[in-house]
Amino acid sequence: EGQLVESGGGLAQPGRSLRLSCSGSGFNFDKYAVSWVRQTPGRGLEWIAFIKSYTHGKTTAYAPSVKGRFTISRDDSKGVAQLQMNSLKTDDTAVYYCTADYSNYNNYFDPWGQGTLVTVSS
Amino acid sequence: DIQMIQSPSSVSASVGDRVTVTCRATQDILRWLAWYQQRPGKAPKLLISATSTLQPGVPSRFSGGDSGTNFTLTISSLQPEDFATYFCQQTYTVPPTFGQGTKVEI
Repeated sequence: EGQLVESGGGLAQPGRSLRLSCSGSGFNFDKYAVSWVRQTPGRGLEWIAFIKSYTHGKTTAYAPSVKGRFTISRDDSKGVAQLQMNSLKTDDTAVYYCTADYSNYNNYFDPWGQGTLVTVSS
Repeated sequence: DIQMIQSPSSVSASVGDRVTVTCRATQDILRWLAWYQQRPGKAPKLLISATSTLQPGVPSRFSGGDSGTNFTLTISSLQPEDFATYFCQQTYTVPPTFGQGTKVEI
């Protein structure tokens, strides 16, 4: 069964940076599009970025709330995807999930990682 | 962005009850809709894709349906492990967007 594991969460001050990593195992990670979805009690689940597989051009897309500040990337040789988060805001405080989509176009997300908490506070 | 309006926000039910959760899209999403289950402290789990396609391993008491821009998730006979929060998600356009969730409580 496919598994995703996130790492890199923690506390950061507003305006600073964090990098999240997502490691995949037990499935053909390189064939899946990878997305990051975050969750807060107030805003619920929010998709923030995806990167498609190499065969789909490694196309990326971002939610307007993070475009220009966050960058998603992948290294299929290591089975890892990353989310570089710059210019962090307090509103970026959330649990961040890594998830995957086999089709690379329909955004049905399965599997999901366990989530990593990012807290942005001074 | 397409908004997904989910109702009710919570429902109290008993084991064996039939429970229906509704999601309405603010524009036509054809049948590009998924349902997820989230238990406390856990990640969401994909239950249903394309409005009504049950994922492997998901019990047949779960079903999905639609009528225009209104979509439903029905649990025919609630089991103890079904007490959780359920989310709908449209995948018709980017960004994919989620409903606010329905908490199914005892």
